[in-house]
Amino acid sequence: SQTIHQWPATLVQPVGSPLSLECTVEGTSNPNLYWYRQAAGRGLQLLFYSVGIGQISSEVPQNLSASRPQDRQFILSSKKLLLSDSGFYLCAWSGDSLGQPQHFGDGTRLSIL
Amino acid sequence: AQKVTQAQTEISVVEKEDVTLDCVYETRDTTYYLFWYKQPPSGELVFLIRRNSFDEQNEISGRYSWNFQKSTSSFNFTITASQVVDSAVYFCALSEWATSGTYKYIFGTGTRLKVLA
Repeated sequence: SQTIHQWPATLVQPVGSPLSLECTVEGTSNPNLYWYRQAAGRGLQLLFYSVGIGQISSEVPQNLSASRPQDRQFILSSKKLLLSDSGFYLCAWSGDSLGQPQHFGDGTRLSIL
Repeated sequence: AQKVTQAQTEISVVEKEDVTLDCVYETRDTTYYLFWYKQPPSGELVFLIRRNSFDEQNEISGRYSWNFQKSTSSFNFTITASQVVDSAVYFCALSEWATSGTYKYIFGTGTRLKVLA
């Protein structure tokens, strides 16, 4: 069966520090991968999605970036974090056809001090 | 433009009451999919159900039921005899083809359900 792993579960970082969140999927090939951010008590904001290795689409301009170095690995990065980057980050995968549900990781709670 | 509206921000019910979570969507496409997800306090989103635009049959799964009506662009979710464990944020989502040649998911803002003992 397919599983998705996301880490770390929680992270506290100072303003201006770098960020790297990692997500890996097991049990499937060529998944579509997604990064979402959820502010406290709010809905989901799609940040990036990827349909293949090295293919990244950005939904909103910001100081975050994403990379997909391997088929089932998706990384969210920042060179310098801002206070506004605080939130709950969720990674998700889906199959590559319309109608496939997304499956989410457990999320990372990021607090910027 | 594609849009999913969950007008109910928060609902509180007493255990064993029935509750309906509303979802209204907008789309230009004739082929699309609708989903419901549950986000318990632990944070992860759990997929509950999928429905395609050509299947308007209602579905029941235990205490959960879903009512899809294309005429009103609604996909409502009812929990019968609610339990404390149903307390969570529930998201409705729409999936359709994007102009980039892939497809995208559009989420509503969620409804927080509190079931009181």
